Amino acid sequence: QVQLQESGPGLVKPSETLSLTCTVSGVSINSYSWSWIRLPPGKGLEWIGYIHYSGRTGYNPSLKSRFTMSLDTSKNQFSLKLRSMTAADTAVYYCASADSSLTHFVYWGQGTLVTVSS
Amino acid sequence: QSALTQPASVSGSPGQSITISCTGTNSDVGGYDYVSWYQRHPGKAPKLLIYDVSNRPSGVSNRFSGSKSGNTASLSISGLQAEDEADYYCNSYTTSSPLDYIFGTGTKVTVL
Repeated sequence: QVQLQESGPGLVKPSETLSLTCTVSGVSINSYSWSWIRLPPGKGLEWIGYIHYSGRTGYNPSLKSRFTMSLDTSKNQFSLKLRSMTAADTAVYYCASADSSLTHFVYWGQGTLVTVSS
Repeated sequence: QSALTQPASVSGSPGQSITISCTGTNSDVGGYDYVSWYQRHPGKAPKLLIYDVSNRPSGVSNRFSGSKSGNTASLSISGLQAEDEADYYCNSYTTSSPLDYIFGTGTKVTVL
């Protein structure tokens, strides 16, 4: 059974960097494509970016300049860093995986709420 | 195109059928058969209901079905049940847009 679990701080100060980790179990991270998706309060889902096990990446152009993703195969984890956080980045952050077709997200984490506030 | 357009809310009585629309452009929904649908209950992980327009993953009830016509995709729920009350999102995978994945604005389904 494939499971994804997000971890990270629930509160981040404006201008700081958010670091989140997604721990994957039930499948090797050396497969599929791994994404971050967020849900701001009162808004819809927003795709942030993905990293493929081959190393190929894709980013939402609106966030590309502030966003970095990486894989840690030794821990079967992947992570994101989002710099220069503002109140507009307050959201529930989900990690998710797409299978080899890349066309849809098969597995999702439960999400972690990140609030940006001083 | 930053988001696909969905109705904000749809409601129905138990046993009825409802349909949620998802409208995009020729560059996303209309250009590819890569529309997927997700159900999100508060506090839970979103769940894949439909992929590649009309395919149901194993374990998803056959009460959920998907279709597409032109730039508009649709999710239909038949035999509406109380447990279907949730938020629903469409998504289009595209290789011709700056965005690889475009989500819909989301639809709140209420079971009356």
